[in-house]
Amino acid sequence: AQSVTQLDSQVPVFEEAPVELRCNYSSSVSVYLFWYVQYPNQGLQLLLKYLSGSTLVESINGFEAEFNKSQTSFHLRKPSVHISDTAEYFCAVSSLSNTGKLIFGQGTTLQVKP
Amino acid sequence: DADVTQTPRNRITKTGKRIMLECSQTKGHDRMYWYRQDPGLGLRLIYYSFDVKDINKGEISDGYSVSRQAQAKFSLSLESAIPNQTALYFCATSDATGEETEAFFGQGTRLTVV
Repeated sequence: AQSVTQLDSQVPVFEEAPVELRCNYSSSVSVYLFWYVQYPNQGLQLLLKYLSGSTLVESINGFEAEFNKSQTSFHLRKPSVHISDTAEYFCAVSSLSNTGKLIFGQGTTLQVKP
Repeated sequence: DADVTQTPRNRITKTGKRIMLECSQTKGHDRMYWYRQDPGLGLRLIYYSFDVKDINKGEISDGYSVSRQAQAKFSLSLESAIPNQTALYFCATSDATGEETEAFFGQGTRLTVV
């Protein structure tokens, strides 16, 4: 069985400050790892994913996440946040054979204050 | 037009009523999913379908049924709605060939059962 734990339900931060959203997972088999973002009143969009290879993955809007196999973590970071980054962020895992069957964490609400 | 379209976007219904949520996709994917989002719980899988003839229960299928009318259409039914089915529902698709390695989500249907 697989599980995902997001360690913070809400993260308030001031604009231009750095942020880290934490995600730990548990699985007895190899998994793919994802971060999805949900902006207010919108659906889920893929932010970034780890499939294999380099453990550091980046998104086009400045977020990055690092896969740490020994700590079973996939924390999301951004060195300087903007007001527009205010959203709910979900960490998720899937098996290698079915990337649509996802196990999600509880979600972390990022609130960026001016 | 969106790749994954859900209708309706919002619905208020009474306890005991039958309601159907519809999902259609233009991605050409074989695999489709229904998830439910509740605050503090993330998203949980209700049902998924690998093709028209293949329907599978997810983590929380009790009280729900589905129908895969075509490769592009996957509907979710609540035969007798109850208040604790009030939630945000998402349809998603994924590729079985491995060419695309993430799930694509609709905009969501906000269902309120009174």
